[in-house]
This record gives sequence, C-alpha cells and structure tokens, in this order.
Amino acid sequence: GQNIDQPTEMTATEGAIVQINCTYQTSGFNGLFWYQQHAGEAPTFLSYNVLDGLEEKGRFSSFLSRSKGYSYLLLKELQMKDSASYLCAVRDVGNNRKLIWGLGTSLAVNP
Amino acid sequence: DSGVTQTPKHLITATGQRVTLRCSPRSGDLSVYWYQQSLDQGLQFLIQYYNGEERAKGNILERFSAQQFPDLHSELNLSSLELGDSALYFCASSRHRDEAFFGQGTRLTVV
Repeated sequence: GQNIDQPTEMTATEGAIVQINCTYQTSGFNGLFWYQQHAGEAPTFLSYNVLDGLEEKGRFSSFLSRSKGYSYLLLKELQMKDSASYLCAVRDVGNNRKLIWGLGTSLAVNP
Repeated sequence: DSGVTQTPKHLITATGQRVTLRCSPRSGDLSVYWYQQSLDQGLQFLIQYYNGEERAKGNILERFSAQQFPDLHSELNLSSLELGDSALYFCASSRHRDEAFFGQGTRLTVV
C-alpha cells in the first residue's frame, strides 16, 4: 500500500533547531516535497528532493534517503512564525504521478 | 500570493444543496488539482486535470464532480451536500514536474 508517516506534533524553543521526520512507502517514487501550512491558510512550498542528500535553503534544509524511504526537514534558528503544520508529500511514479500526502506535523515554537 | 485564485472564500449552505467552487490556475500551468482538508483528515486528494482532461482520481465521492475548461480554469461541483462535507477545499496548479502552488481555499460550511 501507500503510506506516509510523520509525527503528529512537535514542540521546540525559539532560536533552537528542530528536525521533522517523514517515512514513506509508495509503489513508486519521483520526488518528495515539504510544505508549510499555517492554520486556515494554503500550504506553501518549502523544498523538493528527488536525489539522495541534503538540500539547503536558508534556515530550512531537507534530506532524502531513497533506499530507506526517509526524509527530514531541518529548521534552524526557529522563530515564532515557524509555528505551523509541516506536510510531507511524495510524488508517485504510477497513479499518474500524483502527490501522496502525509497528515502533517504540527510544530509549536515557544518563546 | 501564489497566483492561484479560488472563489468564493467562504460558503455556507444547507444539507442537500449543490455548490460550485471555482479555481483559476497560475498563468501557464496546465495541471489543476482539487483537495479537501477537514480538521481530522489532513489533505485528501480529490481529482487532477491536465489541459482539460481528467488525469488522476483520488477519494472523490460520486456526489462530487469537476471539470477543466478550455481557458484552464476549473470548477468543483458538490451536490446533495452532507454535514460531513464541511471542510476547506483547496485548488492547486503546477507545470510539468514542478511543485504545486495552492490557492487560499474555499471554506465550506454545511448546516
């Protein structure tokens, strides 16, 4: 079957570093996306990994290991505005390459 | 602003009624996706259109239908509405292999 797992909730402190993990089992793989979603708002694109390794983009980095079916999103120098839900999504090769979404990790950043 | 426009932003209607949600994709994007997001469910993929043709189908109920018009805008029709259909409905658009950009969503409340 197809499955994406993320922790439901995480808490961190302003200025700290947090790592949000995502594991996936899909029939095929053609890329992994991370999105940020504030409550009641639209998801916004953060990062895309299709090859193994680390992609860095400012305070946010994303890592992918295809052999392990594993990714993480690393957020550095946390700010209060980073409190949001973080969604992991995998593009399937079959199923017309549609995105399979995780349920999201709700991150609370405390002062 | 993602460039994806959804109307209306809010909709309140009674059970048994029918509503139409509208989406205008980003200029140049041929793919349109419809998602449903309720509090306890996360993002649920409903359906995808590519250049006017249905490309992929997700967990879309038979009471729901969609289409993409020649000018690439899309409409999602929800009929015989039930209380459980209350949710945020997102439209997203993308170009080939690119990340999806989401509209601000339509919040549907069925009373």
